[in-house]
Amino acid sequence: DIQMTQSPSSLSASVGDRVTITCRASQGISNYLAWFQQKPGKAPKSLIYAASSLQSGVPSRFSGSGSGTDFTLTISSLQPEDFATYYCQQYNFYPFTFGPGTKVDIK
Amino acid sequence: QVQLVQSGAEVKKPGASVKVSCKASGYTFTNYDINWVRQATGQGLEWMGWMSPKSGNTGYAQKFQGRVTITRNTSISTAYMELRSLRSEDTAVYYCARGERGSHWGPGTLVTVSS
Repeated sequence: DIQMTQSPSSLSASVGDRVTITCRASQGISNYLAWFQQKPGKAPKSLIYAASSLQSGVPSRFSGSGSGTDFTLTISSLQPEDFATYYCQQYNFYPFTFGPGTKVDIK
Repeated sequence: QVQLVQSGAEVKKPGASVKVSCKASGYTFTNYDINWVRQATGQGLEWMGWMSPKSGNTGYAQKFQGRVTITRNTSISTAYMELRSLRSEDTAVYYCARGERGSHWGPGTLVTVSS
């Protein structure tokens, strides 16, 4: 199975900050990488697919990049509604696998 | 608009089975795979398996092989996930999600396994 790691596991940031989360796959997955946002008690919400394509309706302050094994999610200017946990997921090979998550909270 | 509506919360005893439903609307059900993902309280997301509603083909994570079955009823655009031989560690919220990219998710179904 492909192992997904994320760093950092948590971070504290202020409104307006630029935030970058890194996701690494244990082997190459091309660009078959998705990012999700999850708030407490809610289902995950799709943000990015194909490593860098923005899901419809997602604000443009979210962006993704990377290919192969290394990927990043960037929030250009953190907004109050962005405080949440973020997960990456590879969907190149079964079983699909998720990263452990990165919790973004208020500094 | 695309919607996935899941069945309600369940409480089961160890050794029992649970069957969670996921009713799709707002798109052609057979055009997208359905994936099932679970999340124990305070934990991360765990992929369980997938199904093609068009063909009925399925695939499961090794961890759940032999205990999980994903099926569908295309006439009512509904997918089902059945998990058998439940144990306390299966207590979690179970989600269905549309497509390999997980573009849309159901709200989740809490399954509690307790004696």
